[in-house]
Amino acid sequence: GDSVTQMEGPVTLSEEAFLTINCTYTATGYPSLFWYVQYPGEGLQLLLKATKADDKGSNKGFEATYRKETTSFHLEKGSVQVSDSAVYFCALSDNNDMRFGAGTRLTVKP
Amino acid sequence: EAGVAQSPRYKIIEKRQSVAFWCNPISGHATLYWYQQILGQGPKLLIQFQNNGVVDDSQLPKDRFSAERLKGVDSTLKIQPAKLEDSAVYLCASSFHAKGPNTGELFFGEGSRLTVL
Repeated sequence: GDSVTQMEGPVTLSEEAFLTINCTYTATGYPSLFWYVQYPGEGLQLLLKATKADDKGSNKGFEATYRKETTSFHLEKGSVQVSDSAVYFCALSDNNDMRFGAGTRLTVKP
Repeated sequence: EAGVAQSPRYKIIEKRQSVAFWCNPISGHATLYWYQQILGQGPKLLIQFQNNGVVDDSQLPKDRFSAERLKGVDSTLKIQPAKLEDSAVYLCASSFHAKGPNTGELFFGEGSRLTVL
């Protein structure tokens, strides 16, 4: 069945460092891809999404490009802030079913 | 706009006891989801409702879990009897798009954390 694999954490970076969190997927159809974020003490919230190949989702300085050829949707940010500390979940949706990766915890130190 | 409301936020019970969680989705959202999130794992879908009908409950352990959304608005998830491995955060989410989340966005509540001793 469809699934998502994302890099294991935790990831610890210094402020203003470059961030990449890898995500690859397996799907039989043409899913939509998402990144959700969970800040401490809060519920999951959508960070960005892409609905077809070569689409780039972006929000709050984060970007991810839907790469069909490599079945990937890696999350990137050029300069992280302490406030970006959270757990990041890659997800895919196809046929009404949203599937999540295991999550990657990011800690940004000042 | 009010978000997805869940209660209780925390619950501790002994194994073999029962527990119920409540969820009130965002007003006007036709689709409601219950997810189970075990520590260190991503959320796993338990059941999906569209209005008051079940769309997908293939991963719901029906021998002990039940869920209803009688009036197509709020929903209750029940576990009876609970097992140790049911310790998790139970997340409720809703979405506007009646056909599911393929292009839409899921809005999540803060979750209900269950500890089974």
